[in-house]
Amino acid sequence: ETGVTQSPTHLIKTRGQQVTLRCSSQSGHNTVSWYQQALGQGPQFIFQYYREEENGRGNFPPRFSGLQFPNYSSELNVNALELDDSALYLCASSPQGTGELFFGEGSRLTVL
Amino acid sequence: AQSVTQLGSHVSVSEGALVLLRCNYSSSVPPYLFWYVQYPNQGLQLLLKYTSAATLVKGINGFEAEFKKSETSFHLTKPSAHMSDAAEYFCAVIRAGKSTFGDGTTLTVKP
Repeated sequence: ETGVTQSPTHLIKTRGQQVTLRCSSQSGHNTVSWYQQALGQGPQFIFQYYREEENGRGNFPPRFSGLQFPNYSSELNVNALELDDSALYLCASSPQGTGELFFGEGSRLTVL
Repeated sequence: AQSVTQLGSHVSVSEGALVLLRCNYSSSVPPYLFWYVQYPNQGLQLLLKYTSAATLVKGINGFEAEFKKSETSFHLTKPSAHMSDAAEYFCAVIRAGKSTFGDGTTLTVKP
């Protein structure tokens, strides 16, 4: 059984640019959520997708957007990057109704 | 609104000693409660979860946690620490499609 995979693992962008991060969910999981983890902090919930619809969102501005595809994989897009967007971005998939999150190893974004 | 407070950002114990990591939550209705562990440069791994079936929950690697509604607590314990337990531990509340994590507790295990 393949777990949650994320790409790229590391990337560097400059302020004002846009970035797309990708996530393949674990087989059989139809819910995907994204988190931002700054250094020394816990993961902060960005949003969750279920059956290609956003069904929960944390306190992040609209320049953070996402997609979920029919195969349940997902993308996180961040526009107009700011220095404070530098963080580890984690994707997690979960089976419907369990609340259990299965995390990928993350994409580390550095904004210069 | 839901929130999670982990008391103590760093905990240090000797190998073989009791591990106690504290978590208090606030939620308007009983939530799902979780403990996750994160090793350096890795994602989070589920240790255990509480879903109202039993107040004492057993997880992987000898960890367990007790849900105490009156204290709104979900503390994580392990009777005997092992060097491999050194990691960062996160308590989380998940309800209605939203998840809230604590700021984490770094566990150091001394030989």
